[in-house]
Amino acid sequence: DAGVTQSPTHLIKTRGQQVTLRCSPISGHKSVSWYQQVLGQGPQFIFQYYEKEERGRGNFPDRFSARQFPNYSSELNVNALLLGDSALYLCASSLSPTGGTPYNEQFFGPGTRLTVL
Amino acid sequence: SQQGEEDPQALSIQEGENATMNCSYKTSINNLQWYRQNSGRGLVHLILIRSNEREKHSGRLRVTLDTSKKSSSLLITASRAADTASYFCATRPLRGETSGSRLTFGEGTQLTVNP
Repeated sequence: DAGVTQSPTHLIKTRGQQVTLRCSPISGHKSVSWYQQVLGQGPQFIFQYYEKEERGRGNFPDRFSARQFPNYSSELNVNALLLGDSALYLCASSLSPTGGTPYNEQFFGPGTRLTVL
Repeated sequence: SQQGEEDPQALSIQEGENATMNCSYKTSINNLQWYRQNSGRGLVHLILIRSNEREKHSGRLRVTLDTSKKSSSLLITASRAADTASYFCATRPLRGETSGSRLTFGEGTQLTVNP
């Protein structure tokens, strides 16, 4: 079975540009979460989507937005890129948005490495 | 900002030795999870321990949780060179909060196992 997939793998942009990152969850998973991981730090929660609705938002500016499609795949958009947006962007999928059971653990994709010059 | 803090930030040991990493957090949790990350790649889920559990084992991994001290430890026994990676603890808040299934990660411990 395919795991969580993300595209592209790497991306280089310049300040002020816009970027769209894509994520396909594990088949059957309906919840997708996005995390930003700056080099040398732990991941930080950006968004969670479930059944195409936003279910959680982290402390990120409005330049960050996301959406989820009927097939549960998701896109993360970042406008007006800043140098500080350079990071590994991780997508995670899970069966549902809540719970603390092992069956609802989050499975992470390989990430998209974004470099802003 | 990160809720969790891991220590040490970096740990270097020889193959066969045990590695212990600690994690502290600040708010009440539903569960605590440990993840592994190789060279800036995706995170691999290692083990989950619920707030009402004190200890859990999985293969060479042993996790403890002390909710009174808001801390957890991950022990890797008989380490191997292939265990070299960054290890992160992540907490899930109590149910009922609006945060859904968001995980709050610590800063991570970089483990190097020398052959």
